[in-house]
Order: sequence, then C-alpha cells, then structure tokens
Amino acid sequence: DMKVTQMPRYLIKRMGENVLLECGQDMSHETMYWYRQDPGLGLQLIYISYDVDSNSEGDIPKGYRVSRKKREHFSLILDSAKTNQTSVYFCASSPGTGSSYEQYFGPGTRLTVL
Amino acid sequence: QEKVQQSPESLIVPEGAMVSLNCSFSDSASQSIWWYQQHPGKGPKALISIFSNGNKKEGRLTVYLNRASLHVSLHIKDSQPSDSAVYLCAGPSNTNKVVFGTGTRLQVLP
Repeated sequence: DMKVTQMPRYLIKRMGENVLLECGQDMSHETMYWYRQDPGLGLQLIYISYDVDSNSEGDIPKGYRVSRKKREHFSLILDSAKTNQTSVYFCASSPGTGSSYEQYFGPGTRLTVL
Repeated sequence: QEKVQQSPESLIVPEGAMVSLNCSFSDSASQSIWWYQQHPGKGPKALISIFSNGNKKEGRLTVYLNRASLHVSLHIKDSQPSDSAVYLCAGPSNTNKVVFGTGTRLQVLP
C-alpha cells in the first residue's frame, strides 16, 4: 500500500522551542520533499532530498533544517521556532525528481507556534 | 522565480455542471503538467497529468495542454458534490523541481 505518513498531526509549541516533524514512506522513493502551505501562498518548497544525506534547499529554507539518514524517513527540524512558522507542513515523496513524476503527499502536520 | 498562475480563484457550480479550471506556467521544460486535488484537512492527491500537446481524457476528467501558450486546463464533466475541493496545478521549474499554483477552490452544490 503506497503511503506517506507524518507525525505528529497537530503540534502546539512556544516561540523559541525546538520542533521535530517526521515523515515516512513505504515506496522506496529516492526523492522526498518538505512543503509548507499557507492561505493564498500555495505550497512552498522548504527542502528537497534526493536520497540519504543528499539534501538541497528549496525556495524558503531559512529557519529550517532537514535530516535523512534512511531512504524511507525524512525529518524537518525547526531550531528555536518563530511565530511566523505557524503553518501546515506537508511531506511528499516521488520516484524521481522533477515534474515528470507524481508526488505522493502525507496528511500534513498543523503546527502552531505561540 | 517560476510561477504557476491559476484561475479562477474560486468557483461555485450546481451538481451536474461542467467545470473548467485554468493554469498558466512559465517554464516550457518538456516535463509533465499535473493536476492535484486537495480535500479539507488532507494532503494533495494527484488526479491527472499530461505531457504532450493536445488533450487527455480519464473518466470525467479531460486535460488540455498548449505548450506554445504555456497553458493547461482541466475540465470536469458532470460534477459531483464529492468533487468539492481545492485543485492545484503543478509544473516544471528550471531547477528540475516542481512549482505549484495557489489553487482553485471548487464547491459543487447538491
């Protein structure tokens, strides 16, 4: 069953706290993504990972970092979270890079930073 | 930065109506253009893609691509209340990534 999972689904943190969002996929896809989605701005790419330990900045990487130590697992870390990082975060995976490949999305994590 | 522009921003139609959604993209790279459907509180899910100029039909969905004008459209025949969702267009970028539009919110009234 092709699936992307995200944990946690909902998270409330205070400004300055560290945040860890986790993503898993069972399709052995090489490429994984982290996006954030805000009203009126659509999906914005934070980071892309081409495989284990092969990560690249997306359009809005500032304030975020990622870790991918296993092909099926991709983490997004916010060191010292800020209120403007309140958003819905989506993880996705695809069998290759670029628009030729379908992206499979997780259910999202709604993060609130107070 | 590459842009994907979608229109209209929102649309309300009666059940059974034909729905037409539009998307303009700025990179002419020879890769597929995708339409994704996103229901409230869920992640986007791929609906249909097109690579070649012309049209492609899958069930109630038809997509048209004109690479020369950098325009793609999605048409939903005999729309149903379950089609109510946000529709996202996604196209190529010059850095071999994917750019998403901001979406069209569709509401189909029973």
